[in-house]
Amino acid sequence: EPEVTQTPSHQVTQMGQEVILRCVPISNHLYFYWYRQILGQKVEFLVSFYNNEISEKSEIFDDQFSVERPDGSNFTLKIRSTKLEDSAMYFCASSADDQPQHFGDGTRLSIL
Amino acid sequence: QKEVEQDPGPLSVPEGAIVSLNCTYSNSAFQYFMWYRQYSRKGPELLMYTYSSGNKEDGRFTAQVDKSSKYISLFIRDSQPSDSATYLCALRDTGFQKLVFGTGTRLLVSP
Repeated sequence: EPEVTQTPSHQVTQMGQEVILRCVPISNHLYFYWYRQILGQKVEFLVSFYNNEISEKSEIFDDQFSVERPDGSNFTLKIRSTKLEDSAMYFCASSADDQPQHFGDGTRLSIL
Repeated sequence: QKEVEQDPGPLSVPEGAIVSLNCTYSNSAFQYFMWYRQYSRKGPELLMYTYSSGNKEDGRFTAQVDKSSKYISLFIRDSQPSDSATYLCALRDTGFQKLVFGTGTRLLVSP
């Protein structure tokens, strides 16, 4: 069964550094998403991406965040200047039109 | 009032029991209702997907949506130790892409 893959599984970064989280969505999906889950809290929506542009974003997704689809298979989340409170699991998801979202296993981001 | 409420558990049951997991919500605009299962250190795995009201069955799993009460349920029949995980409800409004998740209910099925 096709799946969403995310790399790396764990990323450790110094506060203030830039980090890029990578995702390969399911190949025939056109909608892409990022969510995060702070330890012990709910899964929270960050952003959705369709047709090479952001279609929806949450209040969490401020100017330090950006997303990109640099080629036909990858989807990335960049955090420009990381803060301690950015430490979380980051999940990528993808979906076909009006179909449920399928999630990857996440990247655990630890900010020191 | 929280948008989606879910009892965090843990819910402990013996193997073979029928499990009932529930979420309540406040936004009547939600039209899509999903249940995901999340094992430790893994991503949410889609179990059930329902549009609008009604029941849906898939093997040992049954999802129910009662929009009049703003209440959704997931039933697991003949529960197995491998069902031990956190179960997340997720809801979506028509015209929006974002999923709104409950906190998740941790289920423990003992042999």
